[in-house]
Amino acid sequence: AQSVAQPEDQVNVAEGNPLTVKCTYSVSGNPYLFWYVQYPNRGLQFLLKYITGDNLVKGSYGFEAEFNKSQTSFHLKKPSALVSDSALYFCAVRPLNTGFQKLVFGTGTRLLVSP
Amino acid sequence: GAVVSQHPSRVICKSGTSVKIECRSLDFQATTMFWYRQFPKKSLMLMATSNEGSKATYEQGVEKDKFLINHASLTLSTLTVTSAHPEDSSFYICSAGTSGSLPNEQFFGPGTRLTVL
Repeated sequence: AQSVAQPEDQVNVAEGNPLTVKCTYSVSGNPYLFWYVQYPNRGLQFLLKYITGDNLVKGSYGFEAEFNKSQTSFHLKKPSALVSDSALYFCAVRPLNTGFQKLVFGTGTRLLVSP
Repeated sequence: GAVVSQHPSRVICKSGTSVKIECRSLDFQATTMFWYRQFPKKSLMLMATSNEGSKATYEQGVEKDKFLINHASLTLSTLTVTSAHPEDSSFYICSAGTSGSLPNEQFFGPGTRLTVL
């Protein structure tokens, strides 16, 4: 079964420090991977995606993620965190053998950036 | 571009009533729309997938008679929670996608907070 794991419920980081939000996946074949961010009482905003090509993907708001096939990971990173980055982050995967655009989401990781 | 709206953003209703939530793609044609439910501090649970002009495909465990989905046009899908009960209280989020050969990202609406008293 296809699944996505976000092992950390919450990540705390000081402003200005680098941040990493972890994501691992389990799917058959090559997946399409996504990161979304959700602010309180809001829908999800797309951050970035990996389809193919360069393993390092750059996205919105200075975020990037690295696809690691051997470790089946797609960790989200940012060199210097901002307080405004505090939000709920979701990793998602689109397995190739599912229907059109169907996404499987991780459980989410709350990022808290302290001033 | 690629804006999805939901209406209402927040609704409070009495137990036993029905509530309709609209999801609109404002600047593109959405051949497929998805409805998700999100519990507090939980991930999104896909409820159903709807394609314009056809019946929605519901995920296992989701009651289709309880959660009626209509995708009448390429820009509008509605979710009706029938005979709502307090356990239906949740945050409902829709998303829309366009047709194409690439797995384009889904564009999400801002969500609707439903509270059933």
